[in-house]
Amino acid sequence: ILNVEQSPQSLHVQEGDSTNFTCSFPSSNFYALHWYRWETAKSPEALFVMTLNGDEKKKGRISATLNTKEGYSYLYIKGSQPEDSATYLCAFTGNTGKLIFGQGTTLQVKP
Amino acid sequence: GAVVSQHPSRVICKSGTSVKIECRSLDFQATTMFWYRQFPKQSLMLMATSNEGSKATYEQGVEKDKFLINHASLTLSTLTVTSAHPEDSSFYICSAQYGGTYNEQFFGPGTRLTVL
Repeated sequence: ILNVEQSPQSLHVQEGDSTNFTCSFPSSNFYALHWYRWETAKSPEALFVMTLNGDEKKKGRISATLNTKEGYSYLYIKGSQPEDSATYLCAFTGNTGKLIFGQGTTLQVKP
Repeated sequence: GAVVSQHPSRVICKSGTSVKIECRSLDFQATTMFWYRQFPKQSLMLMATSNEGSKATYEQGVEKDKFLINHASLTLSTLTVTSAHPEDSSFYICSAQYGGTYNEQFFGPGTRLTVL
């Protein structure tokens, strides 16, 4: 059974704080790692697709790193804003091509 | 671009009735769509892969006769929960594969099904 774990499960920060979450995934048969941002009552929004060990991607104040050898990815948010409040999902794609999701990290940013 | 709609967003039905959920890719054609289910405090779990013009492929433990999938066109897939029971109450969400280098999936907003 392929397992994708995210931590922490939830996080409360103050506006302006920087924060990060972890996604752990199988290090074998790796193809891609996806990060999604999911606001309540909306569709999950794709943030990043990462494929190469050592990859770093950035989108505004959000960035992510990837370590395929040890099987983890970090998502960083710099200077959190209330609009960053959402659930952040990671999903692993192996050689089957299917997305295997973690449980998500729910971020609440207080003004 | 790459917008996926899902309808209805919420449905409440009586035990024993059937419920149909539609998933549409609005601005692209999707030969492959996926159906996921999420129980409280759990991750999104793939139920089945829907390919246009052919039978869906179901994940282990998902009853194909209970969860009927039809993918009759390149922009529409439907999931019908037949003879729904309270244990089928869950959040159902679809995605459409856009293609691209890594076969990115774009998601609908989901459907909350409550079976009384």
